[in-house]
Amino acid sequence: TQLLEQSPQFLSIQEGENLTVYCNSSSVFSSLQWYRQEPGEGPVLLVTVVTGGEVKKLKRLTFQFGDARKDSSLHITAAQPGDTGLYLCAGARVFGNEKLTFGTGTRLTIIP
Amino acid sequence: NAGVTQTPKFQVLKTGQSMTLQCAQDMNHNSMYWYRQDPGMGLRLIYYSASEGTTDKGEVPNGYNVSRLNKREFSLRLESAAPSQTSVYFCASGFGTSGDNEQFFGPGTRLTVL
Repeated sequence: TQLLEQSPQFLSIQEGENLTVYCNSSSVFSSLQWYRQEPGEGPVLLVTVVTGGEVKKLKRLTFQFGDARKDSSLHITAAQPGDTGLYLCAGARVFGNEKLTFGTGTRLTIIP
Repeated sequence: NAGVTQTPKFQVLKTGQSMTLQCAQDMNHNSMYWYRQDPGMGLRLIYYSASEGTTDKGEVPNGYNVSRLNKREFSLRLESAAPSQTSVYFCASGFGTSGDNEQFFGPGTRLTVL
């Protein structure tokens, strides 16, 4: 059973467009992270959100944690080819528990 | 500072063969993890070690064993490989609950079992 479902699974858009990817669950998470993975490499952490309703910005990327801490979204403004990659959300079910549950992933392709 | 290193990078095995995947980190992290990544499945935790001398099962431990050799090294062993174990394997490390739970990943081992 996959606790974290990401949508869409694949997304291909033109450079300059905006996009949003989603990470949803029926379970509550004490914190949620977003990672980006490039081909042939391991995932790299982008952000951690811990408070319901929290919004964090990282340049053109905006991350939001749902009020009920069951879902999260990643919005990219004016996408660039360098944003291409696999985006993974990951949640910690229990506060203080270091095990992470990873989502199914969204593979993003930005077309120049 | 090499971060997390994994060996080998690629491996092909026949069904029934055994092998050990090696992982080392030089960041003085307490916790280490082994994941497998399959298309459409994200990352699934196989085993983890919260500290030197301890190991615990993750989501998909069957068919695998692990050893936390010391604080730096955490190995994953397949005793009798099966085609269902064809996957990309990632090792990760982090400070766990004593930090912000960020995990740092190695470059992966691509394993094919024929």
